[in-house]
Amino acid sequence: GESVGLHLPTLSVQEGDNSIINCAYSNSASDYFIWYKQESGKGPQFIIDIRSNMDKRQGQRVTVLLNKTVKHLSLQIAATQPGDSAVYFCAESNAGGTSYGKLTFGQGTILTVHP
Amino acid sequence: NAGVMQNPRHLVRRRGQEARLRCSPMKGHSHVYWYRQLPEEGLKFMVYLQKENIIDESGMPKERFSAEFPKEGPSILRIQQVVRGDSAAYFCASSPPSGQGNQPQHFGDGTRLSIL
Repeated sequence: GESVGLHLPTLSVQEGDNSIINCAYSNSASDYFIWYKQESGKGPQFIIDIRSNMDKRQGQRVTVLLNKTVKHLSLQIAATQPGDSAVYFCAESNAGGTSYGKLTFGQGTILTVHP
Repeated sequence: NAGVMQNPRHLVRRRGQEARLRCSPMKGHSHVYWYRQLPEEGLKFMVYLQKENIIDESGMPKERFSAEFPKEGPSILRIQQVVRGDSAAYFCASSPPSGQGNQPQHFGDGTRLSIL
């Protein structure tokens, strides 16, 4: 079936480094993508989203890149901090470029930031 | 603004009992979603509801599981005759009415269901 998956299950970085978390998706009809951060015992926290008509979107210290040709999504975190340590999930939907509907989540990447 | 509120945070049931999980969406939100998460896995979609309507229940098991979002009050995910395999974290998300611009789903902190 269609799925969203991650290349790297774990990522360890030093504080201050830049982090890149990757995600591959298989549903070519997907037109909306979201990155969530999940800390232990909590629900997913929205980080940034992007529609399929864009290649790049920037937020505060985060950038999401979308390559529709190879169905690849990445999250870049600049100047990673210990508070960024968490599990990061990509999710996708095909609800007309919106999040109104089913989100399909990837497995998750564990990001550990060492001081 | 209060976020998505779920209760209880932890729920323990014995096999065969019923579990009721509640979700109050963010103020002004009329779309509610339920997801299930097993340890070290991503979230799996179960059901999408608007007030008094089920929009998509493609991820919900046909038996024992039901969901509602009444005109008044929280959304309820109900699991009858629970089995050990129902042990998981159940997350609720909400989003505002369409027409207010595309906004992402916002999640609660979940209900951890344990079946003895």
